[in-house]
Amino acid sequence: AQSVAQPEDQVNVAEGNPLTVKCTYSVSGNPYLFWYVQYPNRGLQFLLKYITGDNLVKGSYGFEAEFNKSQTSFHLKKPSALVSDSALYFCAVSPRNTNAGKSTFGDGTTLTVKP
Amino acid sequence: GAVVSQHPSWVICKSGTSVKIECRSLDFQATTMFWYRQFPKQSLMLMATSNEGSKATYEQGVEKDKFLINHASLTLSTLTVTSAHPEDSSFYICSAREVAGMNTGELFFGEGSRLTVL
Repeated sequence: AQSVAQPEDQVNVAEGNPLTVKCTYSVSGNPYLFWYVQYPNRGLQFLLKYITGDNLVKGSYGFEAEFNKSQTSFHLKKPSALVSDSALYFCAVSPRNTNAGKSTFGDGTTLTVKP
Repeated sequence: GAVVSQHPSWVICKSGTSVKIECRSLDFQATTMFWYRQFPKQSLMLMATSNEGSKATYEQGVEKDKFLINHASLTLSTLTVTSAHPEDSSFYICSAREVAGMNTGELFFGEGSRLTVL
């Protein structure tokens, strides 16, 4: 069974400061890893994914994530936060087989960026 | 990018009535769609996997007779909440997996449907 942990329910940062939203996973084999963002009363939007290759993945809106196999982590980062980045962020893991897409999601982390 | 349309965005109904929610992939074909339920400030709970042309696969604890899923075409899946009750009030979200992208597992989400049962 696969699982995803987002240890922080809430992350608060000041605008212009770097941000990190943490994610660790547990899965057999090498999964696909994703970050999604959700704004209030909206569906999820894809931010970025790790499939293979370079451990640092760049995605939408200036976000990036670093895959660390030894620590089974996939933390989301951004060098300079914007107020508009305030939202709910989900980390997800998906198996590399015909069940790809049946992702397991973390519980979400609410990011608040204050001006 | 791929677009998934979900309708209606908001629906209010009386207890005992049935409500249908549609999920459409607008610019790609989706042999598989997923339905989720999300409670306030909580994560997504996968309800079922909708497969085009076959029966949906429900997660443990989800009543298949309560939440009817139909995936009649490669671009449309519907979720019908039958005999809705106030405890069914929730935010329902669908997602679709593009056929071309089935090896990477990337999902495209609808905008969600807020169901309120009075």
